[in-house]
Amino acid sequence: LAKTTQPISMDSYEGQEVNITCSHNNIATNDYITWYQQFPSQGPRFIIQGYKTKVTNEVASLFIPADRKSSTLSLPRVSLSDTAVYYCLVGAPRAGRRALTFGSGTRLQVQP
Amino acid sequence: DGGITQSPKYLFRKEGQNVTLSCEQNLNHDAMYWYRQDPGQGLRLIYYSQIVNDFQKGDIAEGYSVSREKKESFPLTVTSAQKNPTAFYLCASSIADRGDTEAFFGQGTRLTVV
Repeated sequence: LAKTTQPISMDSYEGQEVNITCSHNNIATNDYITWYQQFPSQGPRFIIQGYKTKVTNEVASLFIPADRKSSTLSLPRVSLSDTAVYYCLVGAPRAGRRALTFGSGTRLQVQP
Repeated sequence: DGGITQSPKYLFRKEGQNVTLSCEQNLNHDAMYWYRQDPGQGLRLIYYSQIVNDFQKGDIAEGYSVSREKKESFPLTVTSAQKNPTAFYLCASSIADRGDTEAFFGQGTRLTVV
């Protein structure tokens, strides 16, 4: 399984754009990149997933460079409610291979 | 509504007792997972199942047991052999154990040993 590395924590202010980068140097050809968000005492929630280039949804954008060795989750104009832990996962669309392996995540603290 | 349900939300256990945590899903998902989360830490995989009547150990399976007799249900038993069972337990499910599908999580069970 591809190992991921994220910053342990980040701080931001309301209204700012936040970019969280995840390194996955040994990502395999078929691996997808998925980000989850977790609030205290709740289960993680799917945010966004991508394979290459850029993906955007109503919550975030995901930027993946051509070499796919890293990815950046971008949260536009964060609010206090975006304070949470963000996890980057890498996994392949092939049955029998464990995909849901979480690291320690990035703890984002948004200040007023 | 479709979803994944864990019960109870809070559970207290005396040392030396076994306790079973419930996880039910009505999403028709084949794959189900159990995680343990300690304060300030990430999720660690205990057991996972890709199909009924089959399951595999995760990274920290010692002291835990599971069963998968029905597609909808994946109960976790915390046995007396688990030396430090106080933690937040999360159950999840997905269409299959694949990297391109979304996983859905329950709201968790907080287990405290007293």
